[in-house]
Order: sequence, then C-alpha cells, then structure tokens
Amino acid sequence: AQTVTQSQPEMSVQEAETVTLSCTYDTSENNYYLFWYKQPPSRQMILVIRQEAYKQQNATENRFSVNFQKAAKSFSLKISDSQLGDTAMYFCAFTLIQGAQKLVFGQGTRLTINP
Amino acid sequence: DAMVIQNPRYQVTQFGKPVTLSCSQTLNHNVMYWYQQKSSQAPKLLFHYYDKDFNNEADTPDNFQSRRPNTSFCFLDIRSPGLGDAAMYLCATGEFGGETQYFGPGTRLLVL
Repeated sequence: AQTVTQSQPEMSVQEAETVTLSCTYDTSENNYYLFWYKQPPSRQMILVIRQEAYKQQNATENRFSVNFQKAAKSFSLKISDSQLGDTAMYFCAFTLIQGAQKLVFGQGTRLTINP
Repeated sequence: DAMVIQNPRYQVTQFGKPVTLSCSQTLNHNVMYWYQQKSSQAPKLLFHYYDKDFNNEADTPDNFQSRRPNTSFCFLDIRSPGLGDAAMYLCATGEFGGETQYFGPGTRLLVL
C-alpha cells in the first residue's frame, strides 16, 4: 500500500517570503503521479501542481515549483513570493498511473501567510 | 463554467436517520469519486464510479452506499449515520486514464 507523509502540521511565513513544504511517500511502484492540492478555509480543493514520476524535470507553475527526488521518495513544494491568498491547507497526494485515480493524501500542512 | 457542484453545503441529521448527499458535474467526466474528510485529517477515498461501474474501497463501511443514475449525478447514501460519520464529504470527477481530479466544495455533515 502507498503512504504519504507530511511532517509539518503548520507553517507560518511573512508575505513575499519563500516557503517550502515537505512531503515523502512510500511505494514499490514505478509509474505514478504526485500532486499538491490547496484547500483554502471553507473553499474547495484545487490542484496546485502535478508531477509525473517518469519525468526528471521538476514541475513549475508560476510561483509554485517542486523538488522531486524519486530515489529519496521526496516531493517538496516551494512557494516563492508568498501572497496572503496562499493561506490554506496544503495536501500532498499520490496516485498510481491507472484508469481511475485513487488519490492517497498526506495529513496536510496548514500554511499561514502573515501581512 | 464547467464545475462540480455539491448540495447541500451543510447537512444536519440525527443519529441513525438516513441521509443522502448529492454531487453533480458539468464536466462530462466518466469517473466520479467520493472522499470522506474528518476534522484536521486527510481526505480518504470511499468509492468511485467509472461510468456505471461501482468500485468500493475495501475499508469503506457497509453503512455507506452510492448511486449514479446518469453521467452528471452521483449520490452518497449513509444508511444509519453515527456520530463518527460527522465529516466533510468531498465529491470529485475525472477522466478514466486522466491526470487530474476536480473537486466540489464539499458537504459538511453534522450528526446529532
């Protein structure tokens, strides 16, 4: 069975700073996707960034980038120039590349951006 | 805008009284998922439908059922809610073989 671990329950930074959220996972499979999802307070879960395990290049989406270390089974999220709207719960998630995605989520990191 | 809609957003029910949560989508995706998210915990997959094919997770309690009458709608039925079933229930959709799931806003269930 696959597991996802986020070791930082809460983090807090000042606006405009850079912050890195950690995630490790465990799987014996070789083909999978990794995701970071953002869940703002009382709002729906939205996809921040996706990484395909077969791609060596780290995914980037504007201010969001990942550091994917496949051998170490590590998948961290870096948020540059953080904004107040980045305040949310962030979940790391894993799924095998298969027909229907069965997302396995980490416990989440509550990120607060302070003005 | 194409989206995933969940109704109601908040649901209060009594212990043991059956309750149904609704999810609809305008994305025309062939897979619909239901997740349970208890307070301060990670979402946990309960089951999913691929078209009309129902797929239950092994550890989903029998108390939870689902129906998908057509592509657009999927329902979560809790036959006899217990206090431990109080949670946020998230519906998501995606394409079979696709890369991304799209989530609805969730229904928060309170059991009294």
